[in-house]
Amino acid sequence: EVQLLESGGGLEQPGGSLRLSCAASGFTFSNYAMSWVRQAPGKGLEWVSAISYSGATTHYADSVQGRFTVSRDNSKNTLYLQMSNLRAEDTAVYYCARGDTLGHRKGPDYWGQGTLVIVSS
Amino acid sequence: DVVMTQSPLSLSVTLGQPASISCRSSQSLVHSDGNTYLNWFQQRPGQSPRRLIYRVSNRDSGVPDRFSGSGSGTDFTLKISRVEAEDVGVYYCMQGTQWPYTFGQGTKLELK
Repeated sequence: EVQLLESGGGLEQPGGSLRLSCAASGFTFSNYAMSWVRQAPGKGLEWVSAISYSGATTHYADSVQGRFTVSRDNSKNTLYLQMSNLRAEDTAVYYCARGDTLGHRKGPDYWGQGTLVIVSS
Repeated sequence: DVVMTQSPLSLSVTLGQPASISCRSSQSLVHSDGNTYLNWFQQRPGQSPRRLIYRVSNRDSGVPDRFSGSGSGTDFTLKISRVEAEDVGVYYCMQGTQWPYTFGQGTKLELK
């Protein structure tokens, strides 16, 4: 059974940093592209970042470019999102999501339960 | 960025009746590889999103056949042939043709 378990969310002050993790199990993690998608409270879905199966290729939304860094450790079956210079508008539930071997064009087929990030003073 | 526009934003349907959601993109979603990367997701209250349909009309495993997707170019539709109670939630279209991938605003389906 595919499982994606996010952690690392919490309350952080504007300008601060957080690192989210996503522990994957039930599939060969190193074969799949992975992404982070977020959802502000009561709002819709926004793609944050994507990373290829090898980690060689990454993409970011303009809203987080230069502040967030996505990475993965295939030996630990774990996806990361390093978030810095946080802003109030980064407040959201952050979902870890699985693509396929080629990327995410077909959209994620599995999603984690999400981890809540609140940016507030 | 490709803008995805859904309509209606809210839908109230009687059990057993059909429902239809429209999704329009600001640019053609036909990729250079010939595929059209328009996908649909369902988010039930309090749950994570779930993919229903990928590449316009391909249903995911376990998705009831009352859900169907159609369309081409810039105009797409998700149809539910007979709404059931478990279909309540928010539905999103998403384009995967051009980065940044983008979602529609969501359509909230409720029972009348």
